[in-house]
Amino acid sequence: AQSVTQLDSHVSVSEGTPVLLRCNYSSSYSPSLFWYVQHPNKGLQLLLKYTSAATLVKGINGFEAEFKKSETSFHLTKPSAHMSDAAEYFCVVSLTYNNDMRFGAGTRLTVKP
Amino acid sequence: DVKVTQSSRYLVKRTGEKVFLECVQDMDHENMFWYRQDPGLGLRLIYFSYDVKMKEKGDIPEGYSVSREKKERFSLILESASTNQTSMYLCASSRHTDTQYFGPGTRLTVL
Repeated sequence: AQSVTQLDSHVSVSEGTPVLLRCNYSSSYSPSLFWYVQHPNKGLQLLLKYTSAATLVKGINGFEAEFKKSETSFHLTKPSAHMSDAAEYFCVVSLTYNNDMRFGAGTRLTVKP
Repeated sequence: DVKVTQSSRYLVKRTGEKVFLECVQDMDHENMFWYRQDPGLGLRLIYFSYDVKMKEKGDIPEGYSVSREKKERFSLILESASTNQTSMYLCASSRHTDTQYFGPGTRLTVL
C-alpha cells in the first residue's frame, strides 16, 4: 500500500521569499507522485506530476518538485512566493499501474505582504 | 481542456433526506471518482467507477451509493443523510491510470 505524509500542516512565508512544502511518501512499487493546489472554494488543480522520467519536475506557476528515492521525498519548491500562491497544497502518491491515489492531509500556505 | 462539473456548489439538507450529487465530465474518460474532503484528513475515496454500470468501493463507502448509467455522468447518493456526512464532496475523472481532473466541489451541510 502507498501513503504520503505532508510534514507541515501550515507554512507561512513573506511575498518574494522561497517556498518549501515537504512531502514524504511510502510505496512498495514504482510510484507516480503529484502536487495539487486548491484555492479557497475551488476544486483541485494539478500543479505537476512525476512518473519516473526526470527527477526534477517543473510545474505551472513557477513551482517545481524533486523526486528523491533515497529519501522517499517529493518536496515542492518555488523561488519567490506571490500573494496568489496562498492556497492549500496536496501531495499525492499513486501506483503507476492503477488509479488508487492517496492524498496527504494538505499544507496550507499563507503569503504575507 | 478537461471539464468536470458538479450539479451544486452548496447544498443544505435535513437529516434523513435522500441526497443526489451529480458529476459530469466532457472528455470521454473511463474512470470517475467521488471523494470527500475534511479538514486535516485530505481527500478520502468514497467510490470509483472504471466503466459504465461498474463501481468499486473506496475507503469510506458506508452510507453512500453511486450510479453510472452513462459514461459522462457519475452520481453519488446519500440514502439517508446524517450530520456526519456534512463535508465537501469532490468528483474527479481520468483516462485509465492517467492524471485525475477535479470538479469545483459541492459543500454539503446536513442539519
